[in-house]
Amino acid sequence: AQSVTQLGSHVSVSEGALVLLRCNYSSSVPPYLFWYVQYPNQGLQLLLKYTTGATLVKGINGFEAEFKKSETSFHLTKPSAHMSDAAEYFCAVTPRGNNRLAFGKGNQVVVIP
Amino acid sequence: ETGVTQSPTHLIKTRGQQVTLRCSSQSGHNTVSWYQQALGQGPQFIFQYYREEENGRGNFPPRFSGLQFPNYSSELNVNALELDDSALYLCASSSSSGDYNEQFFGPGTRLTVL
Repeated sequence: AQSVTQLGSHVSVSEGALVLLRCNYSSSVPPYLFWYVQYPNQGLQLLLKYTTGATLVKGINGFEAEFKKSETSFHLTKPSAHMSDAAEYFCAVTPRGNNRLAFGKGNQVVVIP
Repeated sequence: ETGVTQSPTHLIKTRGQQVTLRCSSQSGHNTVSWYQQALGQGPQFIFQYYREEENGRGNFPPRFSGLQFPNYSSELNVNALELDDSALYLCASSSSSGDYNEQFFGPGTRLTVL
């Protein structure tokens, strides 16, 4: 079974500072990789995804992530945090060939003014 | 285009009761997946329905069951509720059950079991 590790349940970042959320997966075959954001009392919204092709993927709201096969990682970054980035972020994977997501435990991001 | 909707928004039940949660998929989507998100955890895959048939199941007991209707809407039923069933239940629809197709999530149903 595939699994996803996100370290640090709560992440505090100053407004304007770099946002870095780490995600590592375990899989013998590189899966499809995703980052989702969840605002309070809302469902999940897709930030970005990696399926094939370029390993640096850009998503919505200025976020990007890089797939590194050798490190089995898919870390999420944003150069400059905004107050509106305060939310919970989940890394997820799905094996190639089906469409069943396995999520990490999430990172609650707090942006400090 | 209407997105994924879920009802009810919140629900309170007691141990041993049964509950039914509902999900309307996005227009044009024939696949619905259900996830359980316990407090402080990431969502966990319960099962998926494709064209009215169960198409994959996660590590959940048989008292978690579902249905998909001809219009591709879906129900999640949980029998003999336990305290640990308290969670946010999310459904997601997609246009296929096969290789990657983006899943669009509803806002969820918050179930509290007392």
